Amino acid sequence: DVKVTQSSRYLVKRTGEKVFLECVQDMDHENMFWYRQDPGLGLRLIYFSYDVKMKEKGDIPEGYSVSREKKERFSLILESASTNQTSMYLCASSYTLTSRDEQFFGPGTRLTVL
Amino acid sequence: AQRVTQPEKLLSVFKGAPVELKCNYSYSGSPELFWYVQYSRQRLQLLLRHISRESIKGFTADLNKGETSFHLKKPFAQEEDSAMYYCALRTYGQNFVFGPGTRLSVLP
Repeated sequence: DVKVTQSSRYLVKRTGEKVFLECVQDMDHENMFWYRQDPGLGLRLIYFSYDVKMKEKGDIPEGYSVSREKKERFSLILESASTNQTSMYLCASSYTLTSRDEQFFGPGTRLTVL
Repeated sequence: AQRVTQPEKLLSVFKGAPVELKCNYSYSGSPELFWYVQYSRQRLQLLLRHISRESIKGFTADLNKGETSFHLKKPFAQEEDSAMYYCALRTYGQNFVFGPGTRLSVLP
């Protein structure tokens, strides 16, 4: 059973703080993704990674960065948190093979920036 | 540009009634469409994909390339179907574009 875990379910930070969101998957997936989920907007891709030390910008990368030093771990970093980054953040992972392309999601981290 | 639209933010039906959640897409390549579902307090999970042509929990979805649609249907809704439903389009590699979602509420 695929397990994608995220370090925190709820997080409250102040404007300007540096924020780290951690995601770990235990199924040796090559691909990992960070989304933010907002009502009426669905899921929007922030960053993704196809391999260790690789990263690619998604649709809304501004204000975020990522790190993938190990295959199982993908971190999202908010260099200087702002109130408009208050959101639900979802991590996902998947295999590269087309036939096994389902994305498996973590439980989400609800971040509030005050 | 690739885009997925779901016109209904909220859809309410009575138990036993048919349900159809609409999804339209725009994509210049060969589309691969998926439906993901998020039940209350659970994580987002795959419901079905068009390529499998399967029925999951009584739900089916047919890809209509002419109308660029991938509507999700179930003939008799159950209360446990109440959830948030997202239509998704796979673009290049393993990337997905998700629609804004439709919240389905099945009333007793």
